[in-house]
Amino acid sequence: GEKVEQHESTLSVREGDSAVINCTYTDTASSYFPWYKQEAGKSLHFVIDIRSNVDRKQSQRLTVLLDKKAKRFSLHITATQPEDSAIYFCAASNPNTGNYKYVFGAGTRLKVIA
Amino acid sequence: GPKVLQIPSHQIIDMGQMVTLNCDPVSNHLYFYWYKQILGQQMEFLVNFYNGKVMEKSKLFKDQFSVERPDGSYFTLKIQPTALEDSAVYFCASSLARRGVFFGKGTRLTVV
Repeated sequence: GEKVEQHESTLSVREGDSAVINCTYTDTASSYFPWYKQEAGKSLHFVIDIRSNVDRKQSQRLTVLLDKKAKRFSLHITATQPEDSAIYFCAASNPNTGNYKYVFGAGTRLKVIA
Repeated sequence: GPKVLQIPSHQIIDMGQMVTLNCDPVSNHLYFYWYKQILGQQMEFLVNFYNGKVMEKSKLFKDQFSVERPDGSYFTLKIQPTALEDSAVYFCASSLARRGVFFGKGTRLTVV
């Protein structure tokens, strides 16, 4: 079955710098890739997603890149702020199964240092 | 925004006893999920549920596990009997379809 690897377990950046979190997946049938953010004591909160019919999607300071050939996708956060500090989870899904289950990466703890 | 509520946030139970984890999903959602996260490990899919039936379950969803949503009330995960390896954080989620999956804060289950 699908396996998702999240390459950075922790990442520290200075406020204002960019942060990049990388994920890889194994199942070529996966075509939907959401990202979630979890702040301390809170639930997972959807931040951005990408479908396999595009290779880039941007929402304000967040950009997701998808390289289907390499089975790799990444979250780029520009102009980081202290409130970006959280654990970020990537996930992959094959919506054609009709089951909408997600396979998650292990999470990246992002720390933005003021 | 829409919220998935999980009750309780933490439960401690003796090994061999039964436990029911409760989830109050987003009101108009149709798909319901449970995920399990052992401390320091990945969050893993357990089961999803639609139209009163289990759609898919993973190998982590042992015979001792069951789910139901009687009369559109709470979506529950029951473990009977519990084992030490069931200690984990269990996340409930719900969605209308593929996108927009909302997660609860999790229930930390400790089996002693």
